[in-house]
Amino acid sequence: DSGVTQTPKHLITATGQRVTLRCSPRSGDLSVYWYQQSLDQGLQFLIQYYNGEERAKGNILERFSAQQFPDLHSELNLSSLELGDSALYFCASSRSQGTGFWETQYFGPGTRLLVL
Amino acid sequence: AQSVAQPEDQVNVAEGNPLTVKCTYSVSGNPYLFWYVQYPNRGLQFLLKYITGDNLVKGSYGFEAEFNKSQTSFHLKKPSALVSDSALYFCAVRGYGNNRLAFGKGNQVVVIP
Repeated sequence: DSGVTQTPKHLITATGQRVTLRCSPRSGDLSVYWYQQSLDQGLQFLIQYYNGEERAKGNILERFSAQQFPDLHSELNLSSLELGDSALYFCASSRSQGTGFWETQYFGPGTRLLVL
Repeated sequence: AQSVAQPEDQVNVAEGNPLTVKCTYSVSGNPYLFWYVQYPNRGLQFLLKYITGDNLVKGSYGFEAEFNKSQTSFHLKKPSALVSDSALYFCAVRGYGNNRLAFGKGNQVVVIP
């Protein structure tokens, strides 16, 4: 158990809908990272937050957004969902903002999203 | 840009035999290299990382990895594979100045009893 928690574990929804994925980092970790894992794209970095502020952006669609709250938990919002958004969404956390490039990112169990 | 190549889709090995999972990377500057393992319906578990120093890195569950700068490789090894090692293995790299991890496509390891 990495100490990173994600809810829900599974999510089934319809095209055009909006969902929110939640992540709580390990105790003491200030950075949260979101990744998408799909069969065709593999593991793709989406976005990073550090202590409430956006730090880095990857291949995140405009329909997707994220935020990190004062208690350091993070939410990933996915809107206008399409079939191709079906994937496993992982959250990871690390101690600092990532400038310690040797830092390990610890991953949560993921949220499996199925868009029908 | 930073990237990782894991050339084999699946690695089959008999229980008790040595296991090797290959990884090559491309990054500007010094690489920071990581191996993760993913069991079915589970998240990624950290195995080991290379930052600097000794080219042979030891990690969890008896795994080790060898960093080779000239060949830009970071192969994962285990001297004697167990059936319970059957899982999906990911190599990842991060270059200096870059927060994000770039992952390879993963290698499915199947350990045959």
